[in-house]
Amino acid sequence: GDSVTQMEGPVTLSEEACLTINCTYTATGYPSLFWYVQYPGEGLQLLLKATKADDKGSNKGFEATYRKETTSFHLEKGSVQVSDSAVYFCALSDYYIPTFGRGTSLIVHP
Amino acid sequence: EAGVVQSPRYKIIEKKQPVAFWCNPISGHNTLYWYRQNLGQGPELLIRYENEEAVDDSQLPKDRFSAERLKGVDSTLKIQPAELGDSAVYLCASSYSRLAGERFDEQFFGPGTRLTVL
Repeated sequence: GDSVTQMEGPVTLSEEACLTINCTYTATGYPSLFWYVQYPGEGLQLLLKATKADDKGSNKGFEATYRKETTSFHLEKGSVQVSDSAVYFCALSDYYIPTFGRGTSLIVHP
Repeated sequence: EAGVVQSPRYKIIEKKQPVAFWCNPISGHNTLYWYRQNLGQGPELLIRYENEEAVDDSQLPKDRFSAERLKGVDSTLKIQPAELGDSAVYLCASSYSRLAGERFDEQFFGPGTRLTVL
């Protein structure tokens, strides 16, 4: 079946540092790929998405590129802020059943 | 526009007791999802509805879990009887699919119900 593997957390950074959260996937078809973010006490919300190979999703300074050859969808941001502290989930959908990774906690210190 | 509403936000029960969770999706969203999220894990799909029809319930433990979406709007998820291992956050999400079976697009999540079974 489909699966999503993302790097273990927590990831702890200082404000203005660069962020990369790795995500790789296994799917039998050609899935859409997503990053969701969950702030403390809130539900998950979509951060960005990509629906086909080589697409780049971007939002709020975050970006991720759909790499079919490496089956990856790494999340990046050039300069993180304290307000980016949250849990980030990589997810895929290959028709009908969405599959989520375990989540990576990001902690940004002032 | 109101988001996905879930209630209650927190529930503490003793094992073997029944419990029910309620979800009201975003107005106009035809697809509704129930997920279970264990601590330190990602959401796992329990059941998906397209309008009032349950189109994927393969992950729902049917011996103790049941769900309904009678009028294709709000939905209830029930556990009877609850077990210690059912302690988790239960998430509801909704989305709009233009075509039946369309590969899913953005889901909108509610805040979840945190269930503790003692």
